[in-house]
Amino acid sequence: NAGVTQTPKFQVLKTGQSMTLQCAQDMNHEYMYWYRQDPGMGLRLIHYSVGEGTTAKGEVPDGYNVSRLNKREFSLRLESAAPSQTSVYFCASNLVGSNQPQHFGDGTRLSIL
Amino acid sequence: AQSVAQPEDQVNVAEGNPLTVKCTYSVSGNPYLFWYVQYPNRGLQFLLKYITGDNLVKGSYGFEAEFNKSQTSFHLKKPSALVSDSALYFCAVRDTFSGGYNKLIFGAGTRLAVHP
Repeated sequence: NAGVTQTPKFQVLKTGQSMTLQCAQDMNHEYMYWYRQDPGMGLRLIHYSVGEGTTAKGEVPDGYNVSRLNKREFSLRLESAAPSQTSVYFCASNLVGSNQPQHFGDGTRLSIL
Repeated sequence: AQSVAQPEDQVNVAEGNPLTVKCTYSVSGNPYLFWYVQYPNRGLQFLLKYITGDNLVKGSYGFEAEFNKSQTSFHLKKPSALVSDSALYFCAVRDTFSGGYNKLIFGAGTRLAVHP
């Protein structure tokens, strides 16, 4: 049982390049999330999805786009990377229900030069 | 504004001693509270949650947390620390205005160091 799988694990980009971070979960969860983690700031929500074909903005959405093509997969795209987007990115998912804990992937460590 | 505070950046404890990692929160209405642990180069792992009921909640790996409504706190505890408990710990509260999904507000994290 893989849980939440993120690819790639590491990536280095140059300013202005684009890339897509992939996330897939095999737990049949409806809700999926993208966070970024920066030192001393905890986790901040970028975008989220409550089901296939639906997405919404979180706390820090600028510079990011997302796609929820099916129930399993939720991708995060940086169209024109900036050094301020250097961070560790986490995907998470959970079952429907306000008391359900989120399950996290192991993250993508992204450096933008 | 709704928020979570973890007042200690780092907690140091000797192996075998009890540990406490502090968390206070500010939300409207009844809080849904969570603790997560993060080991190096890994994602967050769920430890325990408080939704309603007993103020003392038991979770994974021998951890427990005490909900105190009057002090708006949800401190994480363990009676006897292990070196393997050394990790980064996050407290989180559900944003009560998040509607149909679980927006979590995370604290900044507390690094726990357990010394042999």
